[in-house]
Amino acid sequence: GAVVSQHPSRVICKSGTSVKIECRSLDFQATTMFWYRQFPKQSLMLMATSNEGSKATYEQGVEKDKFLINHASLTLSTLTVTSAHPEDSSFYICSARDIGPGGETQYFGPGTRLLVL
Amino acid sequence: AQKITQTQPGMFVQEKEAVTLDCTYDTSDQSYGLFWYKQPSSGEMIFLIYQGSYDEQNATEGRYSLNFQKARKSANLVISASQLGDSAMYFCAMREHRFYTGANSKLTFGKGITLSVRP
Repeated sequence: GAVVSQHPSRVICKSGTSVKIECRSLDFQATTMFWYRQFPKQSLMLMATSNEGSKATYEQGVEKDKFLINHASLTLSTLTVTSAHPEDSSFYICSARDIGPGGETQYFGPGTRLLVL
Repeated sequence: AQKITQTQPGMFVQEKEAVTLDCTYDTSDQSYGLFWYKQPSSGEMIFLIYQGSYDEQNATEGRYSLNFQKARKSANLVISASQLGDSAMYFCAMREHRFYTGANSKLTFGKGITLSVRP
C-alpha cells in the first residue's frame, strides 16, 4: 500500500520555540493532506486540511497562526507549531489522500510525538 | 449528534478466536464510505478495510471482514482467528461523499475501541 512518512518521529523542545513537522507521501501524489492531533487514549481530532498550492482549511477552534500549514508540493505538507507551549504537547498525525482506480483511501503517517517543556 | 459511535470500552478475546468490534454511524447522505483503522501502541494508523455505501457485498480483507448493515447504520469489524499482534486500538471512520471535494472531504473518527488478545 501507499506509504506516508513523517519527520521527526519524536521531538522535545523548550516552551516558546517553534517546531516543524514534515509529512511526505512517498509513492503517490497527494493533492490533499490532513493534520490530526491525538491525546492519549482518545480519538483523532482533525486540525486542518492541507491543499497543494492553496491555503489550508482549519477546523473550528484551531488557531491558524499557531499551527502553520504549508503544502508546497504534491508530496510534502508541513505543520509548524509556533511558540510552542506545554499544552501543545500531543501526538500529531498526518494523512494523505490517494485516489486510485479502486477508489479513494487515506493513508496515515507514523505520527510525531511532541513534548514541550 | 455523534457521527460515529463506538461504545465498547474495551474488548478481550482469546487468541485464535473471532471478535466483533461495533460501530454505528449517522448520516443523511446516500453516498458515503466507512473505514476501519488499527492503531498499535507505536501510534501509527494502519488502514484495515473499506466499505462503500453502495457496495452490495460486505468488504473482506484477509482476516478482516466488515458486517455492513445499511438499514441499521452499522459497520462492525470482524476479526477472525485473533493473533497477539491484533492487540491495539481500533477506530471506525466515515467520509460523507456529499462533501467530496479536495477541501471538504474528511474522515470523521469514532472514539475507538481497545482490543486485547489473550494468549
